Formats: sequence, C-alpha cells, structure tokens
Amino acid sequence: EAGVTQFPSHSVIEKGQTVTLRCDPISGHDNLYWYRRVMGKEIKFLLHFVKESKQDESGMPNNRFLAERTGGTYSTLKVQPAELEDSGVYFCASSSGLTPREQYFGPGTRLTVT
Amino acid sequence: GEDVEQSLFLSVREGDSSVINCTYTDSSSTYLYWYKQEPGAGLQLLTYIFSNMDMKQDQRLTVLLNKKDKHLSLRIADTQTGDSAIYFCAEANFNKFYFGSGTKLNVKP
Repeated sequence: EAGVTQFPSHSVIEKGQTVTLRCDPISGHDNLYWYRRVMGKEIKFLLHFVKESKQDESGMPNNRFLAERTGGTYSTLKVQPAELEDSGVYFCASSSGLTPREQYFGPGTRLTVT
Repeated sequence: GEDVEQSLFLSVREGDSSVINCTYTDSSSTYLYWYKQEPGAGLQLLTYIFSNMDMKQDQRLTVLLNKKDKHLSLRIADTQTGDSAIYFCAEANFNKFYFGSGTKLNVKP
C-alpha cells in the first residue's frame, strides 16, 4: 500500500510569489491533515479535511493560505503571496475513518522563501 | 493553548538504553504518541498510548505515562545506530495533534 506522498519535496521561491503544495493521502483515507514545522520548532496543526469538507481550519495562519480538497482525494495548499516567515516544512497526514487516531505522515515539502 | 515540551538533544552509546521525555499540558488528551523522523523522511508512527493506560511495551520500545504529572517517556532498549533520528512526542484531543519540538537522538558506536 502506498503511503502519503507530497509534491514537491523542496520549493524555493521569492517573497511575493505563489506556491502550491500537493498531498496525496493513503487511498481510502477520509481524513487529511496539514501541519507545518517552522525553524526547527514544534510541528503545528494547520487544518483537517474530512473528505472534501474542512472540519477544522483553526491552525491556518492567515488568509494567504488556501487549502482545497476537491473530490475528497488529493489536497493542495496554496500560499499567495508568500512571505519570508512561511519558510518551513509542510507535512501532510491522513487517517482512515475507522482508525482516525493513527495519522500517517508524508515526507514533507520544504518551502524556502527568499 | 496546548503545550508539549521535549529536550532538544540526547546522546547515548550503542547498546545502552535511551529515555526520551516529554511533558504536556492538556489533561483532556485522549491519546499520546511517539513519532520518529529519520533524515529526509517523513514522520513514522512508532507507538501510541491511550490516556487511561500507564505503560505500553512493544519490542524494544516502552512507553510510560504519568497522567498526574502529565509526563510521557519513551524508552528504547539496546539502542542501535539506526535509532538515530528525531523523536516527536504528540498529544491528541480528537483528531487534532499537538507536537513537541522533537528530541534529536544521537547514537554513538
């Protein structure tokens, strides 16, 4: 069974540009989560989808971040316009409806804003 | 909000036991987790414990939970060089996870 995949693995953009991160969860997992780790600090929750609906987006830092999960499969996280403080590693995780407590993480996308 | 604290570094010799500690603040947490991150890889779920348990053992891993003190620990017996990684503690209330900053474990041959 394929794990959670994320694309790209690394992105370097200039301040003011737009970047879109993609996450493909484990097939059949209804729950999809985005997290972020900034400057080697703690990993912080951003939001949670159940299928295509946003269940909890309390961790989204501001309106420059837009997450979508059309069709309830893969998800995208767009940052527009990117700021220097957005640099960090963005993790995606997924879990099934039967065992929501077991979140499986992808390898992360390292975003560098210069 | 919820706060999860871990020490940043731990260094042990191969064959010794490692103990990684974590404290958390949310007494309503239902599950507590340990994840491992190897260089260039994602977070690997190692083990988790339900909050009404005080110990869980899985091969070389032992998780101890002191709910009164809100203290969680991960003991790795017979630590190997392949155990070198960053270990994250997390508490969960429903589906929302709160992670610590991670403890970097260095295993010296």
